[in-house]
Amino acid sequence: AQRVTQPEKLLSVFKGAPVELKCNYSYSGSPELFWYVQYSRQRLQLLLRHISRESIKGFTADLNKGETSFHLKKPFAQEEDSAMYYCALSGLGNTPLVFGKGTRLSVIA
Amino acid sequence: DAGITQSPRHKVTETGTPVTLRCHQTENHRYMYWYRQDPGHGLRLIHYSYGVKDTDKGEVSDGYSVSRSKTEDFLLTLESATSSQTSVYFCAISEGQGGNTEAFFGQGTRLTVV
Repeated sequence: AQRVTQPEKLLSVFKGAPVELKCNYSYSGSPELFWYVQYSRQRLQLLLRHISRESIKGFTADLNKGETSFHLKKPFAQEEDSAMYYCALSGLGNTPLVFGKGTRLSVIA
Repeated sequence: DAGITQSPRHKVTETGTPVTLRCHQTENHRYMYWYRQDPGHGLRLIHYSYGVKDTDKGEVSDGYSVSRSKTEDFLLTLESATSSQTSVYFCAISEGQGGNTEAFFGQGTRLTVV
């Protein structure tokens, strides 16, 4: 079975501080991992995907198969990063996305 | 924003009544999905479609049915609404599935069952 765990419901950090949103997954094969973000009054949208190995809005995420993790990181948080963040997984056979419960990031000025 | 719209945006209905939510896309994407978003549960897949008349169940499909008679429309029906189905419902679309595919989401429908 596919499962995504985001252990923190809420994460509060000060502006300029480093941010790490944790994501662990359970899947027997090789997963495809994503981070989606939902800003206030906006649609849920893709932030980044592990296959692209890109940095978006200063965020990066590395897939660690040994630890089955895909943590989202940013060295210096900005107020505009405040949002709901969801980690998601797609499994073998290109199955639909399975989402974690989400972490609300609050960046304090 | 991708061409995806949900209707209605808000609805209040009584327990036991049928309710249909509509998702309409103008992107000609093959895949369409219905998720529900609840505090403490995140997004959970209800049903999805991989083509016209081709649908499959998701994690929380009990009490819901779907239909896709044409590429652009994906309907979610609550046969007999219950209070536990009070939620925010999101439709999503994608060209394919897997690592290179981005899912695009609608604005959501807030459903309250009283």
